[in-house]
Amino acid sequence: DQQVKQNSPSLSVQEGRISILNCDYTNSMFDYFLWYKKYPAEGPTFLISISSIKDKNEDGRFTVFLNKSAKHLSLHIVPSQPGDSAVYFCAARFSGNTPLVFGKGTRLSVIA
Amino acid sequence: GAVVSQHPSWVICKSGTSVKIECRSLDFQATTMFWYRQFPKQSLMLMATSNEGSKATYEQGVEKDKFLINHASLTLSTLTVTSAHPEDSSFYICSAPPSGTDTQYFGPGTRLTVL
Repeated sequence: DQQVKQNSPSLSVQEGRISILNCDYTNSMFDYFLWYKKYPAEGPTFLISISSIKDKNEDGRFTVFLNKSAKHLSLHIVPSQPGDSAVYFCAARFSGNTPLVFGKGTRLSVIA
Repeated sequence: GAVVSQHPSWVICKSGTSVKIECRSLDFQATTMFWYRQFPKQSLMLMATSNEGSKATYEQGVEKDKFLINHASLTLSTLTVTSAHPEDSSFYICSAPPSGTDTQYFGPGTRLTVL
């Protein structure tokens, strides 16, 4: 049973436009959510995170929105750049020093 | 962000041999480190939680006698794949959360190919 779901395996966006990556989760006990960017044969790179007590966190071009009632979060990238092309993983964890539960990832392609 | 290194970055070995993978936190201490595995076109799956000074805890379906974990210091955890078989070929990644933070930082991963 997958607790973190990224239902779109891929997304294609034009350079300069907004990229919206979605993530749903099933366990309401998750306390913290993170987004990672990953290239093939490399480890995930941390992008941005959000605590369950917040509904928005912004860092430069990246904004994460959390809707707890819907158990849904999204990552907005604006403006999108070709260098943003990668696989994006949504991850969640419970409180404390606990491991991450990952979604299956969404491959973002930003077209120049 | 914090830096986590892994060594080696890739390794090819013969079936039946053992391979050791190191995970180091370079600029912080980590009482806990996590080991994940990623098969092609799949997500990262947690294998085990490595605890400094105590035994690792393994996820269901992960053989603790096959995947030996040693967290000997606050900056180093090792994963040894014993008697490796071709089905163990995968991308192994470790992560560590700096104390007092909520974020986990990942190593660059180790590509293991067992012939």
